[in-house]
Amino acid sequence: EVQLVESGGGLVKPGGSLRLSCAASGFIFSDYTFIWVRQAPGKGLEWVSSITSGSNNIYYADSVKGRFTVSRDNAKTTLYLQMSSLRAEDTALYYCTRDVYTGSRIEAFDIWGRGTLVTVSS
Amino acid sequence: AIQMTQSPSSLSASVGDRVTISCRASQGIRDDLGWYQQKPGKAPKLLIYAASSLHSGVPSRFSGSGYGTDFTLTINSLQPDDFATYYCLQDNTYPHTFGGGTVVEIK
Repeated sequence: EVQLVESGGGLVKPGGSLRLSCAASGFIFSDYTFIWVRQAPGKGLEWVSSITSGSNNIYYADSVKGRFTVSRDNAKTTLYLQMSSLRAEDTALYYCTRDVYTGSRIEAFDIWGRGTLVTVSS
Repeated sequence: AIQMTQSPSSLSASVGDRVTISCRASQGIRDDLGWYQQKPGKAPKLLIYAASSLHSGVPSRFSGSGYGTDFTLTINSLQPDDFATYYCLQDNTYPHTFGGGTVVEIK
């Protein structure tokens, strides 16, 4: 079964750090670009970061640049999001998703995990 | 960053209605736009990519159109399963940006 499973969320104090993981199965992980998307409670979706299949190109939203680092381990078929200097406004459900048309001009995010909740509070 | 303005932010409709949702980009994005459906407590689902291409398995009552700055998602003959929140996402330029969402409610 093709799936993504996020983990690593939890309660952390402002200024703290957390590392999220996204474990992939059922497809060739190394073939795809992945993104992280977050959703604050009761709010809309926000694109956070993208990483290409070979980690050659990485992008971040301005709101997390300099604080978050995306990476991947193709051998372990796992995507990561290292979050530091966390703020209350980073509180959200974090999803990972893949770009099914990686390698083409088209982008489309077809498989999503269920998300992992990050709560930043003292 | 490119701003994506979705309208309306919410709408009420009945089963069988035709519904249109708009998304406007602050600058031209060619056809680099997708539409996603999200139900409460669930992850988003891909409906449309490249502005007008229907994702595999998505019912044909969903359609997308537009190019440049103005885009539309149309749901023909709204079904009970379609009551949800819909988001557009531009993937033309980094940072990618979502629209604010449109909640489709039962009238």
